[in-house]
Amino acid sequence: GENVEQHPSTLSVQEGDSAVIKCTYSDSASNYFPWYKQELGKRPQLIIDIRSNVGEKKDQRIAVTLNKTAKHFSLHITETQPEDSAVYFCAAKGLVDNFNKFYFGSGTKLNVKP
Amino acid sequence: ETGVTQTPRHLVMGMTNKKSLKCEQHLGHNAMYWYKQSAKKPLELMFVYNFKEQTENNSVPSRFSPECPNSSHLFLHLHTLQPEDSALYLCASSPSGTVNTEAFFGQGTRLTVV
Repeated sequence: GENVEQHPSTLSVQEGDSAVIKCTYSDSASNYFPWYKQELGKRPQLIIDIRSNVGEKKDQRIAVTLNKTAKHFSLHITETQPEDSAVYFCAAKGLVDNFNKFYFGSGTKLNVKP
Repeated sequence: ETGVTQTPRHLVMGMTNKKSLKCEQHLGHNAMYWYKQSAKKPLELMFVYNFKEQTENNSVPSRFSPECPNSSHLFLHLHTLQPEDSALYLCASSPSGTVNTEAFFGQGTRLTVV
């Protein structure tokens, strides 16, 4: 099955700085890569996603890059704000036999210091 | 609200009790999932149902018993649990098939086994 690894497990940045979270995956058949944000006591919610036919996607201060050859993808948050503090999860979703399974990374706890 | 509702939100049960968690979605999705979220651990996929058929049982102990009577409802029956089963149990749903779309999560049930 798929194996998703996420780094770092914790990340502390100063407000206004950038934050980068990296994930690797093992199954070359995976073709959809969502990122979820989970605030304390709340459900994970999608913040951005990327499909395998795209190398980069940007939505305001958030961007995701995908390198299919190397099997890694990253989340970039620019101009961080205190409200960005949360746990972020990457995920990979496979096609073919396991098209309906999401495999999640271990999560990154982001702390944005005012 | 994402359209996925879980009840109860909190549950405290003894090791000899039997209880059930409920998940309901009216998004027209055909795939439903149970995840376990423990402190400092990734989201652990437990069960996947696709068109009411169980397509994944991720080596989950038999004290957890899922039930999917229809595509809109998913249950997790619990009996003789252990304290280490205390966690946040998240239900999610997504469209089935090869469409690459996100999984929508419920608020979760915070389970404490005493």
